[in-house]
Amino acid sequence: GEEVAQTPKHLVRGEGQKAKLYCAPIKGHSYVFWYQQVLKNEFKFLISFQNENVFDETGMPKERFSAKCLPNSPCSLEIQATKLEDSAVYFCASSPGQGGTEAFFGQGTRLTVV
Amino acid sequence: QKEVEQNSGPLSVPEGAIASLNCTYSDRGSQSFFWYRQYSGKSPELIMFIYSNGDKEDGRFTAQLNKASQYVSLLIRDSQPSDSATYLCAVNWYGNKLVFGAGTILRVKS
Repeated sequence: GEEVAQTPKHLVRGEGQKAKLYCAPIKGHSYVFWYQQVLKNEFKFLISFQNENVFDETGMPKERFSAKCLPNSPCSLEIQATKLEDSAVYFCASSPGQGGTEAFFGQGTRLTVV
Repeated sequence: QKEVEQNSGPLSVPEGAIASLNCTYSDRGSQSFFWYRQYSGKSPELIMFIYSNGDKEDGRFTAQLNKASQYVSLLIRDSQPSDSATYLCAVNWYGNKLVFGAGTILRVKS
């Protein structure tokens, strides 16, 4: 597609439940990134992929967060046992190449943990 | 020290004026520099990117980069109320990781 597609737009989970977010990158883009934005504050980098391979996962809280980008499937970000502080907008972005090429963002998924 | 720093604002300018948004970064190995605009409740929208020292112009927008001073700026000429948004500076290093500043809120008053 011509835009980064994220689903769902909104997700509400009780504390301790699992949340799974999806992202379809722009067709032909090799890199996918996940960011977390809490209360309109700074973008926190979570993880990036080059095709289906993890490129950089330095931002991932590994004990509860996991992510995948499998061939012919949307990328996913999964949060096991959600906590109140996981409430945020999760943005996915894709870019065509390495070395500073521009990244284009999806509309985000707003996760609310109650 | 934060990796990418921006004045949070708000920066208020009258309609038709030039808005100047500034950003500094800490890593001299940074390769690429981006300005995104984010309206409230929306996703970031790429406005400009710049790789080389100097100025780059696109319509009403001019990005300026000074790698020696580790400084990048965005000028918006003939500011319009529709330019009111949060402007995010993003810097790329170590391959493909984009690091964002906290953003500057711009308010253009008619």
